[in-house]
Amino acid sequence: GAGVSQSPRYKVAKRGQDVALRCDPISGHVSLFWYQQALGQGPEFLTYFQNEAQLDKSGLPSDRFFAERPEGSVSTLKIQRTQQEDSAVYLCASSAGGRVNEQFFGPGTRLTVL
Amino acid sequence: AQSVTQLDSHVSVSEGTPVLLRCNYSSSYSPSLFWYVQHPNKGLQLLLKYTSAATLVKGINGFEAEFKKSETSFHLTKPSAHMSDAAEYFCVVSVTRIHSNYQLIWGAGTKLIIKP
Repeated sequence: GAGVSQSPRYKVAKRGQDVALRCDPISGHVSLFWYQQALGQGPEFLTYFQNEAQLDKSGLPSDRFFAERPEGSVSTLKIQRTQQEDSAVYLCASSAGGRVNEQFFGPGTRLTVL
Repeated sequence: AQSVTQLDSHVSVSEGTPVLLRCNYSSSYSPSLFWYVQHPNKGLQLLLKYTSAATLVKGINGFEAEFKKSETSFHLTKPSAHMSDAAEYFCVVSVTRIHSNYQLIWGAGTKLIIKP
C-alpha cells in the first residue's frame, strides 16, 4: 500500500476488556515495530518482527500484551484485561530492514481505558 | 547504555526567524541518529538521518542537523521558520540489538511553536 495503516484510529475500552489493534505495513517491508507513546512522551519500543518471526519482545510491559504477525505482513497487537495505565497511542512502523533504513510510521491507534 | 536528551520541551520562535532544537546523545558505539517530526493527528515523519557519512545532514523542508562527536550533539536547525513547521520534533538514536535488529531510542520531544 501507499503507507502504513492502522485500525481502529481510536478505541475506548472499559477496564478489564480485551482489545486488538491492527497494523498493515508497507507491502514488502520485512521489519515491523510496535511502539507505545504516552501523552507528552516519545514513543517507547514494544516489540519487533522480521517477517513472521518475533525477534524482540523485550519492550512489552506485561504478559497481558501479545503481538503476532502470522504471515509476515499484517500484525496485531492484543492487550488482555486492559488497565488504565494502558491508555496511550500505539504506533506501528515498518521498514525495508537494516540498521539505518527509515522506519515508516502509521497514524497510530489512540487507546483510552476507562 | 544509549540515551537521548532533548534539552528543551518547548521552543517558541517568530515566523521567519531561525530555529534551533537541541539534542544530546549518549552511545557506546558510533551511532546512527535521526530527527522525526510529528504533526497533530498525523504519523511520524523522518526529517533527516546521520549514518557516519557527512557530519552535516540536510533533510526535508529546509531542516538540517550537524553531528558533533566531541560534544555528543545532533542539533536541528532551520534558517527561517514557517508556520507549517509547528509540530513535535523527536531526536532518535539507533541501537543495535540481537538478531541484527536495531531499536530506536527516542528523546522526550520538543514542541516547536511558531508565532506569527
